[in-house]
Amino acid sequence: QQPVQSPQAVILREGEDAVINCSSSKALYSVHWYRQKHGEAPVFLMILLKGGEQKGHEKISASFNEKKQQSSLYLTASQLSYSGTYFCGTAIAGNKLTFGGGTRVLVKP
Amino acid sequence: ETGVTQSPTHLIKTRGQQVTLRCSSQSGHNTVSWYQQALGQGPQFIFQYYREEENGRGNFPPRFSGLQFPNYSSELNVNALELDDSALYLCASSLYTTGRNEQFFGPGTRLTVL
Repeated sequence: QQPVQSPQAVILREGEDAVINCSSSKALYSVHWYRQKHGEAPVFLMILLKGGEQKGHEKISASFNEKKQQSSLYLTASQLSYSGTYFCGTAIAGNKLTFGGGTRVLVKP
Repeated sequence: ETGVTQSPTHLIKTRGQQVTLRCSSQSGHNTVSWYQQALGQGPQFIFQYYREEENGRGNFPPRFSGLQFPNYSSELNVNALELDDSALYLCASSLYTTGRNEQFFGPGTRLTVL
């Protein structure tokens, strides 16, 4: 069962903040976040692991609530380059990812 | 460090035909995963190869098959193409199969089935 992402879309002005959520009904080992621009491959942003470890992008922050099986990605002081579709991929074991439906982010000047 | 590459970039086939897509993994990576991404949706896991063996499969029929070679490059084969197979096919390489390791995606192959 795929994770549920919210919101489905968000429009920001440059410099504003946003939060993207990813919820799963299953106990997760890790959550992987990607950003995909139109016509391009998904670009790795961050991994959040059960137990609190994180690996990833310096300018992006995220959290993983193991009790709720929910992860949140924080876009802080957004830049035009943050525009794209954000996907969370969840892993129960190994790294066979189940992706959510995506959150479209548009950052306007 | 060489990134993930895929070929061809675009492909047009007709129903019933067969297709082979290719992926070269990032240097040093021994695991390749294949995903299908329909327009406007997230990628869906097809299968994964680790050291030339299939290491897990998603909810795809047997007409989707794959191979991994000793240099860790990989092929995805689809037989008896259907219209619904039209999608972006992405491969992702990683070091090992644990959920601790990031996967890096290639640019994808856009398959159109007419």
